[in-house]
Amino acid sequence: DVKVTQSSRYLVKRTGEKVFLECVQDMDHENMFWYRQDPGLGLRLIYFSYDVKMKEKGDIPEGYSVSREKKERFSLILESASTNQTSMYLCASSKVGGSSYNEQFFGPGTRLTVL
Amino acid sequence: SQQGEEDPQALSIQEGENATMNCSYKTSINNLQWYRQNSGRGLVHLILIRSNEREKHSGRLRVTLDTSKKSSSLLITASRAADTASYFCADAGGTSYGKLTFGQGTILTVHP
Repeated sequence: DVKVTQSSRYLVKRTGEKVFLECVQDMDHENMFWYRQDPGLGLRLIYFSYDVKMKEKGDIPEGYSVSREKKERFSLILESASTNQTSMYLCASSKVGGSSYNEQFFGPGTRLTVL
Repeated sequence: SQQGEEDPQALSIQEGENATMNCSYKTSINNLQWYRQNSGRGLVHLILIRSNEREKHSGRLRVTLDTSKKSSSLLITASRAADTASYFCADAGGTSYGKLTFGQGTILTVHP
């Protein structure tokens, strides 16, 4: 059974803290994605990675960075957390090519609250 | 502005009725996908329709695609209370690396 896991379901941090959100997939997928989801705004892409050590900015990268040192792991970093980064964060992965091209597999999400 | 906008934003029906959700997108696509999200959870892929397909079925799901109108619809037949969830369309446009652009979603409530 394919799986994408995220390090925490719920996280509470203080303004200014450095926050790490971890995502691991066991499907040997090349692509990995970080989204944030806010009411009324749907899913917005923060960053994605198509290979180890490779990354591309999504639609809302400001205030975030990412790291992909191993194929199965993609980390999202909030350098200095702010209250407007309170949100649900979703990680996803997908493989390149094949009949399921573009189908993304999602983790359960991390609900981050920044106080 | 955002691709993949869903309509309606919320839909409330009785068990056994059919539910239809619509999605519009703005640029050319390779394929269009529908996902489901149960409250507070991650998204689950439901069905994918390619740009050269017009209709696709999977169990109680039927998806149509009209590339001339840049629109798609998802029909859930004989709905059940367990179908209560948010439904998102996502288009794979002319983008690289499998990027998807998601709509804002339709919240479906099925009353038993």
